[in-house]
Amino acid sequence: GAGVSQSPSNKVTEKGKDVELRCDPISGHTALYWYRQSLGQGLEFLIYFQGNSAPDKSGLPSDRFSAERTGGSVSTLTIQRTQQEDSAVYLCASSLLDNEQFFGPGTRLTVL
Amino acid sequence: GQNIDQPTEMTATEGAIVQINCTYQTSGFNGLFWYQQHAGEAPTFLSYNVLDGLEEKGRFSSFLSRSKGYSYLLLKELQMKDSASYLCAVRGYQAGTALIFGKGTTLSVSS
Repeated sequence: GAGVSQSPSNKVTEKGKDVELRCDPISGHTALYWYRQSLGQGLEFLIYFQGNSAPDKSGLPSDRFSAERTGGSVSTLTIQRTQQEDSAVYLCASSLLDNEQFFGPGTRLTVL
Repeated sequence: GQNIDQPTEMTATEGAIVQINCTYQTSGFNGLFWYQQHAGEAPTFLSYNVLDGLEEKGRFSSFLSRSKGYSYLLLKELQMKDSASYLCAVRGYQAGTALIFGKGTTLSVSS
């Protein structure tokens, strides 16, 4: 594909529900990152995948957040029992080794 | 701790030059990035500095001083389309790791 794609573009859910956000990185990119951007805040790192190595989960804010990357390509970020403070834009990025990161358009999550 | 500071907002007029400063304190350093983000859109890569000095790319230039923990993004011949948020981000101790972002500087360009 031409760039990083994410789905859905918008997600509205009720507090307490689980949500899954999907990211398709640029083909061939070995590294994949999840960030979130809350209103008035900078991008906050969540989790990082590099090849077949164990992911760096140091940015996940709670155990309600998890992510997986299947076959070294597509990644899914899951948020269980969503809370209102989870409302944010969730951005995925991919990169080839240590080159610049290319961002997807993001998923805007609203928890009512 | 990790800290990246940049001004919250800046304004400028078309055709002018603007400098957006960024200071950082991080546990490791392996490069500094500048990204541009228009409202409602994904950040797009502008520049990368890993060594001290100035990197020029068209109307945009970026400077780095590692000893001072300081960078700036210089935008010349400003255009209305340059109105956006400019994000300063530092990569930590290891290549390929996640970026630490500042909160961004919102630049408004008026005619």
